[in-house]
Amino acid sequence: AQRVTQPEKLLSVFKGAPVELKCNYSYSGSPELFWYVQYSRQRLQLLLRHISRESIKGFTADLNKGETSFHLKKPFAQEEDSAMYYCALSGRYGGSQGNLIFGKGTKLSVKP
Amino acid sequence: ETGVTQSPTHLIKTRGQQVTLRCSSQSGHNTVSWYQQALGQGPQFIFQYYREEENGRGNFPPRFSGLQFPNYSSELNVNALELDDSALYLCASSLSLGTDTQYFGPGTRLTVL
Repeated sequence: AQRVTQPEKLLSVFKGAPVELKCNYSYSGSPELFWYVQYSRQRLQLLLRHISRESIKGFTADLNKGETSFHLKKPFAQEEDSAMYYCALSGRYGGSQGNLIFGKGTKLSVKP
Repeated sequence: ETGVTQSPTHLIKTRGQQVTLRCSSQSGHNTVSWYQQALGQGPQFIFQYYREEENGRGNFPPRFSGLQFPNYSSELNVNALELDDSALYLCASSLSLGTDTQYFGPGTRLTVL
């Protein structure tokens, strides 16, 4: 079964502290994984995707196929990082690929 | 470049009614996907349209149907509304099929009473 699990509903850290948002997945085959972010009163937007291997806004995520994980990390959290974060997997439906399977999301709160 | 737009913003219906939600894709995008996001949940894939044809469907009953028009805008229709259909409905467009980045609209909040 194709599934994405984000075990934490809420993660609260102080400004300047490291952040790790956890994501585990279940997928047979080679997955493509994404992190989407939703800031307050804004639409869902792509933060990063594993094939790009980019660092966006200081965030990085490494695909670990052995542990089936794609955790999102940032060494020093900023208040503007407070948002809802969704991990997503590109799934297969009826033979087509590209549609997203989302986790339930983790709300990150960065306190001053 | 215009982003993905959706209408209406909010909608209130009663059980048994029918509803149509609309989505205009981002300029140049020919693929539209629809998602349902219940409160406290991540978005769930409903179906995808590519060049006016349905190209993949999630675990939703047939009373959820859709259309894509020649200008690549799209509609989501839901018949015989149930209370559990209350959710935020998101539309996302992408440049083409496959794993291209999906760009999301702001959503339509549907409440079924």
